[in-house]
Amino acid sequence: GAVVSQHPSWVICKSGTSVKIECRSLDFQATTMFWYRQFPKQSLMLMATSNEGSKATYEQGVEKDKFLINHASLTLSTLTVTSAHPEDSSFYICSAKKGSGGYNEQFFGPGTRLTVL
Amino acid sequence: AQKITQTQPGMFVQEKEAVTLDCTYDTSDPSYGLFWYKQPSSGEMIFLIYQGSYDQQNATEGRYSLNFQKARKSANLVISASQLGDSAMYFCAMREGLSGNTPLVFGKGTRLSVIA
Repeated sequence: GAVVSQHPSWVICKSGTSVKIECRSLDFQATTMFWYRQFPKQSLMLMATSNEGSKATYEQGVEKDKFLINHASLTLSTLTVTSAHPEDSSFYICSAKKGSGGYNEQFFGPGTRLTVL
Repeated sequence: AQKITQTQPGMFVQEKEAVTLDCTYDTSDPSYGLFWYKQPSSGEMIFLIYQGSYDQQNATEGRYSLNFQKARKSANLVISASQLGDSAMYFCAMREGLSGNTPLVFGKGTRLSVIA
């Protein structure tokens, strides 16, 4: 199978601090990873597309200076929420693309629940 | 414009009965894939079933089947013989193109509650 992990699974931080969330593909190489955000009782909204070795592509309305994405290797992408505020409290989920072709190449991580006090 | 529409915020079904969750989509790309995911309270996204735009037959995976009506642009999920463990949020999603390089776009979801 294809396994994607996220760390941490949950984090509580004070307003103004930065939080780093890791997304790892454990048994495959992922050239592309996607970051989604999900507010309570809402759907998943795409934040950005992360390609290994290049800059992330952000969706309209997502501040790239606030949500820093680094995809430094084929198995790791990180999302850093800088100067977090309570409105950034959300469930952050990554997905990783495996290989080429096929239909189900995107595998989701278990998510990271961020609470900013 | 909404690309994926799920019109049922919540659904109830009796255990062992079948239930249909609605999903309509909008795209001008002839190549696309349609997905259904289950999200229990733990938050993980569990892949259920996939339908490609060129697939001739409706997809089936165990108790899940996808009623694909291309002309109507609908991709309803049918769950047969509902179980208590099926209670969760269900999301319909679409990916335009077939390469996998484009992200999934999700609908707003339907919360299914299975009653004993």
